[in-house]
Amino acid sequence: EDQVTQSPEALRLQEGESSSLNCSYTVSGLRGLFWYRQDPGKGPEFLFTLYSAGEEKEKERLKATLTKKESFLHITAPKPEDSATYLCAGAGGAAGNKLTFGGGTRVLVKP
Amino acid sequence: GAVVSQHPSWVICKSGTSVKIECRSLDFQATTMFWYRQFPKQSLMLMATSNEGSKATYEQGVEKDKFLINHASLTLSTLTVTSAHPEDSSFYICSARPRSTYNSPLHFGNGTRLTVT
Repeated sequence: EDQVTQSPEALRLQEGESSSLNCSYTVSGLRGLFWYRQDPGKGPEFLFTLYSAGEEKEKERLKATLTKKESFLHITAPKPEDSATYLCAGAGGAAGNKLTFGGGTRVLVKP
Repeated sequence: GAVVSQHPSWVICKSGTSVKIECRSLDFQATTMFWYRQFPKQSLMLMATSNEGSKATYEQGVEKDKFLINHASLTLSTLTVTSAHPEDSSFYICSARPRSTYNSPLHFGNGTRLTVT
């Protein structure tokens, strides 16, 4: 069974304090690993897709990396507006064209 | 690009009534749309996969007679919660992808907050 696990569940950061979020996955025949940002009361907003181990993608203060077993979302010098829940999801294998989501990491950045 | 619009954004209904939620892809065609449910501080739970012109595929444990899905066109899918009860109160989110490939990103609507009184 495909599984995606995120850690930590919650993260409190001071503004400017860099950190990393972890996403471990067991998805057979992974076709893509996705990162989303979700603000309260909103739908998830697409951030990145990673397709193969070693791949990296960046967007402003966010950088996503992928290995054969896990993905990391690095937040560099975060600002309060980076506060959100970050979700990762895997596509492929037994889930077919569906995404298997992790539980998310709630990030709070304090000024 | 790749905008998904969901309507209404919130709805309050009385127990026993039915509620319809619309999901539209505004600038692309979507042969497949997905409906999710999300409880507070929890992740997204896939309810069903909606396929244009055919029957939806429901996940295990999701009552297809309670959650009716219609995907009549390449830009519109609807979810109808029939005979709603307070336990159906939740945040419902739809999503779609522009191309029918496994590895293109899903784009999500902004969700519908359903409260059943």
